Amino acid sequence: EAGVAQSPRYKIIEKRQSVAFWCNPISGHATLYWYQQILGQGPKLLIQFQNNGVVDDSQLPKDRFSAERLKGVDSTLKIQPAKLEDSAVYLCASSPSYNEQFFGPGTRLTVL
Amino acid sequence: QKEVEQNSGPLSVPEGAIASLNCTYSDRGSQSFFWYRQYSGKSPELIMFIYSNGDKEDGRFTAQLNKASQYVSLLIRDSQPSDSATYLCAVIHEKLTFGTGTRLTIIP
Repeated sequence: EAGVAQSPRYKIIEKRQSVAFWCNPISGHATLYWYQQILGQGPKLLIQFQNNGVVDDSQLPKDRFSAERLKGVDSTLKIQPAKLEDSAVYLCASSPSYNEQFFGPGTRLTVL
Repeated sequence: QKEVEQNSGPLSVPEGAIASLNCTYSDRGSQSFFWYRQYSGKSPELIMFIYSNGDKEDGRFTAQLNKASQYVSLLIRDSQPSDSATYLCAVIHEKLTFGTGTRLTIIP
């Protein structure tokens, strides 16, 4: 069974630029999550999708972050404009049920 | 008060000994509890989950949950160097909330 795919794996941008990350969940998983993990901290949930719909985006900085999940499969997370404090690993996870989550390899973002 | 608290470590344990990792949580309504292992530069992987008070064993791993005291722990028996990683405690109330993780080093 293929795991959660993410791209790119690494991205370096300058502040005020925009960036987009892509995630392809495990086939059949209805729930998809985006997390931000800053070095030395645990992952923080940014947004949770159930099929096409948003379940929780309470911690998503909506003035600069946006996310969508087209056709209930792939998802993209965008940051525009980026700030220095956005430097982190962005993890995508998918789940066949409410509890068990499978993480992708992550995208390491560096904002200069 | 943080929602999920863990000692950041590092915790050093001799090979073959028992490693004990602890986690406390603030929300009494929390229902599900998870332990993830994260190797440096890698993404978290689920190793144990527990829903009910008491112990749950899976191979060398035992998760312990005490809802009255609001803590959950993970014991690793016969620790191996490959167990060296950061262990993240995660709790579900309305969403999955992670602690900051405990860095465990197994000393050969």
